[in-house]
Amino acid sequence: GQQVMQIPQYQHVQEGEDFTTYCNSSTTLSNIQWYKQRPGGHPVFLIQLVKSGEVKKQKRLTFQFGEAKKNSSLHITATQTTDVGTYFCASNAGNMLTFGGGTRLMVKP
Amino acid sequence: ETGVTQTPRHLVMGMTNKKSLKCEQHLGHNAMYWYKQSAKKPLELMFVYSLEERVENNSVPSRFSPECPNSSHLFLHLHTLQPEDSALYLCASSQDWGYEQFFGPGTRLTVL
Repeated sequence: GQQVMQIPQYQHVQEGEDFTTYCNSSTTLSNIQWYKQRPGGHPVFLIQLVKSGEVKKQKRLTFQFGEAKKNSSLHITATQTTDVGTYFCASNAGNMLTFGGGTRLMVKP
Repeated sequence: ETGVTQTPRHLVMGMTNKKSLKCEQHLGHNAMYWYKQSAKKPLELMFVYSLEERVENNSVPSRFSPECPNSSHLFLHLHTLQPEDSALYLCASSQDWGYEQFFGPGTRLTVL
């Protein structure tokens, strides 16, 4: 079945540094959704991308969908301690939303 | 956030026990989901219900039995579980398939 691979699995950054997580698939994706899960919390929807080459921004977060619709990235500029958590990408294949393994972001103050 | 609620929040059970997890969504959504999240694996989809009909069973062992009596409620009945079933069980709902999903807080299950 469809799989989405996420890298890196973990990332430690100093507060103020930038952070990027990547989501890759061997097949063309119909869409990409991004979720954030704080430690001890549950996943919370951030954004959905559907168009080839689409770029969306939410304050310090920039989301991109690749031209071939096989990859996506989430970039955080100037990380803050509130950005700590695990970021998941997910994509729809029929009835199922398949999640990547997540990237756990840790920010050192 | 109270859109999707789950009870209990924590559950400890023996392998011979029978218990049920409950999920309720107050968002008027048509689709509901059960996920399993463990330290070793990412979010694993278990079941999908759309308009009270099960539309997806992702090769889940029969010791997990879902029930959707109406579009607002979803249950997961548990019996003769194994210690490896210990995990966070998350319920989610969405307007329809493919739409953003709203997750509940989860039930932290420990099987002894």
